[in-house]
Amino acid sequence: EVQLVESGGGVARPGGSLRLSCAASGFTFDDYDMSWVRQAPGKGLEWVSGISWNGGRIAYADSVKGRFTISRDNTKRSLFLQMNSLRAEDTAFYYCARHDGAAGDDYWGQGTLVTVSS
Amino acid sequence: DIQMTQSPSSLSASVGDRVTITCRASQGVNIYLAWFQQKPGKAPKSLIYAASRLQSGVPSKFSGSGSGTDFTLTISGLQPEDFATYFCQQYHTYPYTFGQGTKLEIK
Repeated sequence: EVQLVESGGGVARPGGSLRLSCAASGFTFDDYDMSWVRQAPGKGLEWVSGISWNGGRIAYADSVKGRFTISRDNTKRSLFLQMNSLRAEDTAFYYCARHDGAAGDDYWGQGTLVTVSS
Repeated sequence: DIQMTQSPSSLSASVGDRVTITCRASQGVNIYLAWFQQKPGKAPKSLIYAASRLQSGVPSKFSGSGSGTDFTLTISGLQPEDFATYFCQQYHTYPYTFGQGTKLEIK
């Protein structure tokens, strides 16, 4: 069974940092690209970042470019999102998702909540 | 960036009805279009990929069509568990943008 479990969310001050993790199981992790998607409370979905299976191709939404860094460790079957210079508008649930080139973001984790507040 | 426009933003329907949600891309995305269902407090669930293909385990009451810039999601024989919010997403070009969502409510 495919499982994705996010962790690392919490409360941060504006300008602060957090590092999110996503632990994957139930599939061959390094066969797949991965994504981070966020959702502010009561709002829609926003794609944040994506990384190819080997980390060779990375992309970010303009809203986080230069502040967030996506990475992965295939030996540990883990995906990461380093979030720096956090802003109030970064407050959201953050989901990791498995990305299949043909089937899109087919499996999602349960999400972790990031709150940026002074 | 490719803009995804969903309509309607909300929809009221009755159990047993058939409904259609549309999604329009600001530029062509071929068939790289997915549909998701989200219930309150839960993660999104993938329903359809490649515009018209059902994810494993998704009932055939859900169907998708379209290519290029215009896409539809149709849900037949609405049941209480189908009342949720639905999102489209293009995964043709980074950033993989979402539509704003359609909230399907019971009439």
